[in-house]
Order: sequence, then C-alpha cells, then structure tokens
Amino acid sequence: GQNIDQPTEMTATEGAIVQINCTYQTSGFNGLFWYQQHAGEAPTFLSYNVLDGLEEKGRFSSFLSRSKGYSYLLLKELQMKDSASYLCAGMDSNYQLIWGAGTKLIIKP
Amino acid sequence: DAMVIQNPRYQVTQFGKPVTLSCSQTLNHNVMYWYQQKSSQAPKLLFHYYDKDFNNEADTPDNFQSRRPNTSFCFLDIRSPGLGDAAMYLCATSRAPDGPYEQYFGPGTRLTVT
Repeated sequence: GQNIDQPTEMTATEGAIVQINCTYQTSGFNGLFWYQQHAGEAPTFLSYNVLDGLEEKGRFSSFLSRSKGYSYLLLKELQMKDSASYLCAGMDSNYQLIWGAGTKLIIKP
Repeated sequence: DAMVIQNPRYQVTQFGKPVTLSCSQTLNHNVMYWYQQKSSQAPKLLFHYYDKDFNNEADTPDNFQSRRPNTSFCFLDIRSPGLGDAAMYLCATSRAPDGPYEQYFGPGTRLTVT
C-alpha cells in the first residue's frame, strides 16, 4: 500500500532550527513534496525533491534518500510566522500525490 | 498574477440541499484536482481531470460530482450534503506530463452543513 508517515506535532523555539522527518511508501516514485499550511488556509508549495540529496532554499532545506524512503524538511532561524502545519507528499507512478496528515509546528518565543 | 480562484470562500448549506463550489485558474494547467480536507487530516483526493479525462477516486461517494466545461473552470457538486461533508474543499492545478509537478492550490471553500 501507499503511506506517508510524519510526526503529528513538534515544538521549537524562535531563532532555533527544527527538522521534520517523513517516511514514505508509494507505488512508483516521481518525487517528494513539502507544503506549508497555515490554519484555515490552503497548502503552499515549499520544495520538491526527486534526486537524493539536499536542496536549499533560503531558510528552508529539504533532503531526500530514495533508498531509505526518507525525507526531511529543515527550517532554520525560526520565526513566529513559521507556526503552521507541514505536509509531506509523495508522488506515485501515476503522478498522484499521496499526502501525510501533516506535522503541526508550534514556535515558542 | 496567475492564480487559482475558488468561490465562494465560505458556504453554508442545509442538510440535503445541493451546493456547487467553483474553481477557476489562469495558469493554463491541464490537470485540475478537487480535495476534501478535514481538520488535522491529510487532503483527500476526490477527483481529478487530466485534460478532459475525468478520474474519480474509488472511495469518493456518489453524492459528489464534478464538471469541467473548459480548461479554466471546474465545479464540485454535492447533491445531498450531510453533516459529515462539512470540510474545507480545495481546488488545485498542475501541469503534466512535462511538469513542473507541484500542485497550486486555491484558497479553499469552507463548507458548513446545518
């Protein structure tokens, strides 16, 4: 079956670094996405990895290991506005996204 | 700016009263999706259109129907809403098969059923 696992909730301190992990199982694999979703709003695209390694985009970086079925999203210099849910989604062989339930990130001052 | 637009943003309907949600896009993407999302849950794919080809997810209830009259517009019809259909409904678009594959979401329609 297809499945995405990520922690339900994480707490971090403003200015710190946090890593949100995701493991995935998909039928075929066409990449791994991370989305940010603020409460009551739609998801917004953060990153896409299809090859192994680290992709850096400003304060956010995303890592993929295809052999381990594993990804993480790294957020640096945390700001209060980063409080949101972070959704991991794997793209299967039909180019459909298999979504995780999201990790709610709470930032404390 | 190119975007995905959903109307209305908030919809209140009565139990059993049909409702239609709309989505339009100016991205000229060929794939359009309808998702249902309940609080603290993953988005659940209801349907998607690949160009004109309609794809219904196996577990989407018959109560939900969709129309895509042209590339830019897509509608979600809920024929007889139940209390369990209260949720955020998200429309998204993407480009396939050449990509980029990220899905662009509209702001969503929050449906309340009374």
